[in-house]
Amino acid sequence: SQQGEEDPQALSIQEGENATMNCSYKTSINNLQWYRQNSGRGLVHLILIRSNEREKHSGRLRVTLDTSKKSGSLLITASRAADTASYFCATGGITGANSKLTFGKGITLSVRP
Amino acid sequence: EPEVTQTPSHQVTQMGQEVILRCVPISNHLYFYWYRQILGQKVEFLVSFYNNEISEKSEIFDDQFSVERPDGSNFTLKIRSTKLEDSAMYFCASSAQGAGYEQYFGPGTRLTVT
Repeated sequence: SQQGEEDPQALSIQEGENATMNCSYKTSINNLQWYRQNSGRGLVHLILIRSNEREKHSGRLRVTLDTSKKSGSLLITASRAADTASYFCATGGITGANSKLTFGKGITLSVRP
Repeated sequence: EPEVTQTPSHQVTQMGQEVILRCVPISNHLYFYWYRQILGQKVEFLVSFYNNEISEKSEIFDDQFSVERPDGSNFTLKIRSTKLEDSAMYFCASSAQGAGYEQYFGPGTRLTVT
């Protein structure tokens, strides 16, 4: 079954630096989505990239998708302390009217002030 | 900005008791989901719901679980006889257009089974 797996598991950077997080999956997907979760809180949708797209930007976020390598990435530029959170990639399937999302284990990002 | 809401935020129940978790999806959304996250683990899909019926369910969603949209706004998850291993954060999500589109998640209900 499709599966998103992120790496690294944890990332610690200085404020102002860029954070790059990677996601790999196993089977064909319709889309790749990234979510943020602050400790003990809900999941906040960040950005979606479809299988026919290679790159997408939204503010300080840049996502890429390489379907030939079954991998994608999330880049947060000019990080801020408020970006400290867990980040999850989630893959959406190619069949069915109501596509479930399959989540990875997440990446813990710490941004030091 | 419209958002998904969930109640209660925290539910404590004894093993064997029934619980109902409630969600109000975004008003013009048509596709509804439940996920759960056991502490320290992945977010796992439970069930999807469209046009008043279950579209897809996972292996976790056994006969102890049921979902309902009792009126035009609420979407509920019922666990008939809770087990210790049902302790988790339960997230409701909704989507305007289903497959290939964003899912918006509620803040979650933390269920603790003692």
